[in-house]
Amino acid sequence: NAGVTQTPKFRVLKTGQSMTLLCAQDMNHEYMYWYRQDPGMGLRLIHYSVGEGTTAKGEVPDGYNVSRLKKQNFLLGLESAAPSQTSVYFCASRDRGRKFFGPGTRLTVL
Amino acid sequence: KQEVTQIPAALSVPEGENLVLNCSFTDSAIYNLQWFRQDPGKGLTSLLLIQSSQREQTSGRLNASLDKSSGRSTLYIAASQPGDSATYLCAVNSGNTPLVFGKGTRLSVIA
Repeated sequence: NAGVTQTPKFRVLKTGQSMTLLCAQDMNHEYMYWYRQDPGMGLRLIHYSVGEGTTAKGEVPDGYNVSRLKKQNFLLGLESAAPSQTSVYFCASRDRGRKFFGPGTRLTVL
Repeated sequence: KQEVTQIPAALSVPEGENLVLNCSFTDSAIYNLQWFRQDPGKGLTSLLLIQSSQREQTSGRLNASLDKSSGRSTLYIAASQPGDSATYLCAVNSGNTPLVFGKGTRLSVIA
């Protein structure tokens, strides 16, 4: 099993550009999550999904959209990137108890 | 609203010491608590998961305890090694709501 994978690993955007981050898991987990991690702020939940076709807002959803068209994939979109969205983004999936994290995507918005 | 606090924020110890990391949470109605390790520039790796009905879990040199009634968990690391240097996060699962994370304790083990 590859576990949780994220694409891309690094990305630099200019303000106003759009992009999509892809998260994939091969563990047949129902729950998937997108977090951002910033110095001094810890992990903050952006959006999450409790199953295929469903999404819900987390703690800091503004400026992001998500889609869960397939159970194994959870996409995070930035329609118009802002410097405040410079961060490290982590995807996670969960079985009944344990949460598994991807390696992260480091995004810089200039 | 569940809040998770980890103390200390940073800790530096000499190699070989036993150490304790603390995690406290405000709402004792939890399903489970999970301890993670994060190395610089990496994702989170799950270390231990304690269900609400359990008092502790052990994995190698790691032992995590849970006192739900007082809202506390501790992660005990025995005979620390430089390779244990990382940030340790605890996260609380209160049911259908997503995990709530502490901000972590950054551990440095000096050789």
